[in-house]
Amino acid sequence: GQQLNQSPQSMFIQEGEDVSMNCTSSSIFNTWLWYKQDPGEGPVLLIALYKAGELTSNGRLTAQFGITRKDSFLNISASIPSDVGIYFCAGRSGGYGNKLVFGAGTILRVKS
Amino acid sequence: GAVVSQHPSRVICKSGTSVKIECRSLDFQATTMFWYRQFPKQSLMLMATSNEGSKATYEQGVEKDKFLINHASLTLSTLTVTSAHPEDSSFYICSAQGGQSTDTQYFGPGTRLTVL
Repeated sequence: GQQLNQSPQSMFIQEGEDVSMNCTSSSIFNTWLWYKQDPGEGPVLLIALYKAGELTSNGRLTAQFGITRKDSFLNISASIPSDVGIYFCAGRSGGYGNKLVFGAGTILRVKS
Repeated sequence: GAVVSQHPSRVICKSGTSVKIECRSLDFQATTMFWYRQFPKQSLMLMATSNEGSKATYEQGVEKDKFLINHASLTLSTLTVTSAHPEDSSFYICSAQGGQSTDTQYFGPGTRLTVL
């Protein structure tokens, strides 16, 4: 089945530093999504990517849909304490009715 | 926009009882809803996909007679955990998706189920 490799597994960074995480897949995806989950909450959509090569920003967050359609990265600039949480990438290979495949998540901790 | 609610947020029940969890899309019509289960410090595990007015499609290894899913309207899906046991204790999250090709999944806040 389809698998997503998300890295790093966890990060412990200083406030103000930039953060980068990525996901790679063994197969092609048509959609890449990035979510953030706080403890005891559901995932919240950060950025959605629909075209290969697409680069999209949402405030301090920037994500790109890899040109090969098998990878995506998420960058967070100038991290702040509220960036703490678990970040998940998710890919979809078919149409809108197809299920998402999730990465294992990246745990982000920020030292203030 | 794209708000999804779940009720209840937490539930504690005795072993052998059934528990119903509701998932509602508040400001859009969800042609497809998904139910996930998440164990501590793990990723989301898809349990089933439900389309309004039709039977749910369950993932391999998920017992359809134990996890009953009903998607009776474009804004409501329910998950009923029947004859719950302690091993069913988990965080259950639903997501909802509209009918456009670019629509994505928006998640509910989750329901923490504890079976004693």
